[in-house]
Amino acid sequence: DAKTTQPNSMESNEEEPVHLPCNHSTISGTDYIHWYRQLPSQGPEYVIHGLTSNVNNRMASLAIAEDRKSSTLILHRATLRDAAVYYCILSAGHNTNAGKSTFGDGTTLTVKP
Amino acid sequence: NAGVTQTPKFRILKIGQSMTLQCTQDMNHNYMYWYRQDPGMGLKLIYYSVGAGITDKGEVPNGYNVSRSTTEDFPLRLELAAPSQTSVYFCASSLGQGEIDTQYFGPGTRLTVL
Repeated sequence: DAKTTQPNSMESNEEEPVHLPCNHSTISGTDYIHWYRQLPSQGPEYVIHGLTSNVNNRMASLAIAEDRKSSTLILHRATLRDAAVYYCILSAGHNTNAGKSTFGDGTTLTVKP
Repeated sequence: NAGVTQTPKFRILKIGQSMTLQCTQDMNHNYMYWYRQDPGMGLKLIYYSVGAGITDKGEVPNGYNVSRSTTEDFPLRLELAAPSQTSVYFCASSLGQGEIDTQYFGPGTRLTVL
């Protein structure tokens, strides 16, 4: 199964942009890139996903490299509420692959006021 | 919709005791999952189900059992609790149709085995 690699931790100042990287060099052609985040004492929540093109939503942007071997989650203006663990996972885009997505240890984002 | 609900929120067990962690979803999702999260670590998949009557093992199934008699419910059973099972347990569900399969998580059950 394709795995992802993320830095253990990152720091940002409040109201500055944050770029959270993820490497997935063994990604297959049908794998979607998903990002989740886990606020303290809560379950993970969906942030964004993409396949090949860059994606934007109200929470964040996702930039995907042309070869799809890496991606970057972009928080345009970090707030204190964005302090969380961010997980990048590959979700095999097919019903028969349930249970194949694995969460690593993620990146712990600290936002300084 | 309540989404994914889990009970209890907290529980302390003695070594050798048994218990069932409850998970219910009201989104008519086909797929359901159980994860455990040890302190400072990521999530590890224990068991998952792609529909009523169908379950399969994840990465760390030893010491646990599951059943899926209805679409809504996916209980996790711990038999003979051990200190190594001290963890936070998350249940999740996903639609299980099409190519995008976003998982929705419950609030978790914090279990301590002494």
